[in-house]
Amino acid sequence: EDQVTQSPEALRLQEGESSSLNCSYTVSGLRGLFWYRQDPGKGPEFLFTLYSAGEEKEKERLKATLTKKESFLHITAPKPEDSATYLCAVPNNAGNMLTFGGGTRLMVKP
Amino acid sequence: NAGVTQTPKFRVLKTGQSMTLLCAQDMNHEYMYWYRQDPGMGLRLIHYSVGEGTTAKGEVPDGYNVSRLKKQNFLLGLESAAPSQTSVYFCASSYPRNEQFFGPGTRLTVL
Repeated sequence: EDQVTQSPEALRLQEGESSSLNCSYTVSGLRGLFWYRQDPGKGPEFLFTLYSAGEEKEKERLKATLTKKESFLHITAPKPEDSATYLCAVPNNAGNMLTFGGGTRLMVKP
Repeated sequence: NAGVTQTPKFRVLKTGQSMTLLCAQDMNHEYMYWYRQDPGMGLRLIHYSVGEGTTAKGEVPDGYNVSRLKKQNFLLGLESAAPSQTSVYFCASSYPRNEQFFGPGTRLTVL
């Protein structure tokens, strides 16, 4: 059974203080990994897809990286508007379901 | 493009009442999904569909039914609502094996 674990559960940062969120996974064969951002009261918003170890994707202050066992979401010089819950997910073998991690709630103080 | 839309946004039901949640997508996606999200439980898949006229059970299907009569619509039904079904419900859609795109959610309270 696929398992996805995110850490930490919550992270408080000062504006400008860079950090990383972790997503570790146990799957029979990686078929991609997705990162989402979720704001309170809203649906998850797609950020990145990573398919192979060593791959990196960037968007503004966010950079996602992938190894054979985990993915990191690096946040460089975060701003208060980056505050949200960040979710990662992996698809099953058939590609018709996602297993989500529990999420990391990021709070960036001005 | 509106993306994925959900109707209604909020609903309050009494125990035993029934209701239908509507999801619509305009991206021509084959796959559609219904999730529920509860504090401390994360996103859990209720039912999904890989094409018009097909449906399948997810992780937590009990107490729910679904129908996909048209490619762009996916309906979630509660025949006899229970307080345990109080939750936020999200619909999503995708191409096969690709990232899913989510709707804004429906907040349901069952008294």
